[in-house]
Amino acid sequence: DSGVTQTPKHLITATGQRVTLRCSPRSGDLSVYWYQQSLDQGLQFLIQYYNGEERAKGNILERFSAQQFPDLHSELNLSSLELGDSALYFCASSVATVNQPQHFGDGTRLSIL
Amino acid sequence: DAKTTQPNSMESNEEEPVHLPCNHSTISGTDYIHWYRQLPSQGPEYVIHGLTSNVNNRMASLAIAEDRKSSTLILHRATLRDAAVYYCILRDQGGSEKLVFGKGTKLTVNP
Repeated sequence: DSGVTQTPKHLITATGQRVTLRCSPRSGDLSVYWYQQSLDQGLQFLIQYYNGEERAKGNILERFSAQQFPDLHSELNLSSLELGDSALYFCASSVATVNQPQHFGDGTRLSIL
Repeated sequence: DAKTTQPNSMESNEEEPVHLPCNHSTISGTDYIHWYRQLPSQGPEYVIHGLTSNVNNRMASLAIAEDRKSSTLILHRATLRDAAVYYCILRDQGGSEKLVFGKGTKLTVNP
């Protein structure tokens, strides 16, 4: 058990819809990262938040947004969903230094029909 | 981000040692070598990391070449639970905290 909790585990929705994925980081970790894993692109970094502030951005689409709340949980919002957004979305947390490991949740599997 | 090269797949027998290689010929002096693994239907899991010296922990050992252009993750006695995709990742000490995953090595462990 990594200590990182992601909900829901599975999400099935239709094109054009909007969904929210939730992540609770490990106790004490201030940094939250979101990654997307698809069959053709592999694991890709989307965005990082540190103590409520956006810290780094990766290959995140404009239709996607994220935030980190005062209690440090984070949400990833995906809107105007397309078939290609079907993927596993992982959240990770760490104490936000390069030498410290990131701890991953078990992911949310998003299926767009 | 500096690039790593790993074999696509490797096979091992249960209870035998496994040596997973990683080449990183363009590594810089401030790059740490990190290893993660991803078991089926799970998120990636941290395994070990090092800079210059060999490292040991309860999961594995990391052997780093003297010129740092390659490293080897060593599982001392493979179990069926070690079947996973293993990723070798370079992280710049002064750079971004994100992880850049390649395709990794898929390890199959035979009973």
